[in-house]
Amino acid sequence: DAKTTQPNSMESNEEEPVHLPCNHSTISGTDYIHWYRQLPSQGPEYVIHGLTSNVNNRMASLAIAEDRKSSTLILHRATLRDAAVYYCILRARGLYGNKLVFGAGTILRVKS
Amino acid sequence: GAVVSQHPSWVICKSGTSVKIECRSLDFQATTMFWYRQFPKQSLMLMATSNEGSKATYEQGVEKDKFLINHASLTLSTLTVTSAHPEDSSFYICSATNRERPDEKLFFGSGTQLSVL
Repeated sequence: DAKTTQPNSMESNEEEPVHLPCNHSTISGTDYIHWYRQLPSQGPEYVIHGLTSNVNNRMASLAIAEDRKSSTLILHRATLRDAAVYYCILRARGLYGNKLVFGAGTILRVKS
Repeated sequence: GAVVSQHPSWVICKSGTSVKIECRSLDFQATTMFWYRQFPKQSLMLMATSNEGSKATYEQGVEKDKFLINHASLTLSTLTVTSAHPEDSSFYICSATNRERPDEKLFFGSGTQLSVL
């Protein structure tokens, strides 16, 4: 499985944008870039995913480098409820849904 | 949106007993379900991949006789921790892929906190 590298932790002020980086230099052409987040004692929650083009949804934006070796999750206005562990994961394309292997993730702390 | 229901949310059991955890996809069919285990302050560790109608594929180091997985239908997978011991105490999480959209997101259950006394 291709690996991802994320900072251990980041801190942000409430109402400010947050850019969470992820490096995936060994990504293959068939790997999707997925982002999930997890609050304490809860299952992970889907945030966003993409393949080559930048993606936007109601939760966040995903900026993917042209060579696809890195990506950045952008939370446009951080709130206290965004404090969580954010996981960047590569997932191979496959008919039967290939597995998701979690790394250590980034602990995001949001200050009021 | 699609929901994965996991039950129970928490369970306390005596050492030596077996515990069954259920994972249901409520409004979609899940050809594949995944089971994870998470210890405090650690990331999720994939235990096994469960495919409907076939045997589960276990990750290296996970005892298949200890953690029995059954995926008898397209909406239900179960994980049974057999002869549980205190070291099996952990947070267990299931996830599922929508059969119609296998490349899309995974849906996760809310997790089961198992405490073995």
